[in-house]
Amino acid sequence: AQSVTQLGSHVSVSEGALVLLRCNYSSSVPPYLFWYVQYPNQGLQLLLKYTTGATLVKGINGFEAEFKKSETSFHLTKPSAHMSDAAEYFCAVSNSGGYQKVTFGTGTKLQVIP
Amino acid sequence: KAGVTQTPRYLIKTRGQQVTLSCSPISGHRSVSWYQQTPGQGLQFLFEYFSETQRNKGNFPGRFSGRQFSNSRSEMNVSTLELGDSALYLCASSPTGQNKNSPLHFGNGTRLTVT
Repeated sequence: AQSVTQLGSHVSVSEGALVLLRCNYSSSVPPYLFWYVQYPNQGLQLLLKYTTGATLVKGINGFEAEFKKSETSFHLTKPSAHMSDAAEYFCAVSNSGGYQKVTFGTGTKLQVIP
Repeated sequence: KAGVTQTPRYLIKTRGQQVTLSCSPISGHRSVSWYQQTPGQGLQFLFEYFSETQRNKGNFPGRFSGRQFSNSRSEMNVSTLELGDSALYLCASSPTGQNKNSPLHFGNGTRLTVT
């Protein structure tokens, strides 16, 4: 069975500070990993995805994530937080068993303090 | 290309009533999934449809049902509403739902409030 664990349901950072949102996965097969962002009263939109190949993945809005197999982690980072980054972030893992099955983490709400 | 469209955006119903939510996927996408999002439970998978067939179902009671039409549009129905059904219901589409590296494309959701 596949799963993802997001550490910290709420994270606060100052504007301009480093953003680090943690995600650990559990999967019996090589995982396909995603980060999604959800702004208030909206659906989820894709930030970035890891499939195979390069372990450092760059996404939209200056976010990136590094896949570390040895640590089963896929943490999301951004060097300098902006007020517009305030949102909820979801890590997700996808495996197929005839059809795509996506499992989401519980989400991390990012607060950016001016 | 138009995104995933969900209607209505907001619904207020009373206990015992039933409700139908609609989702139009991105053109060409044939897989539609439904999720329930609540503050306490996060995102929970309801079911997935492909070519008018339900391929996968989450752990929800039979009061929750869905269907998909030949044009890939999907509806979900909740009967005998309970207070605990209050949630944001999200629909997501993907081309086939079989490619594990294909991201889901979400609509903005329907906010259901049961009073």
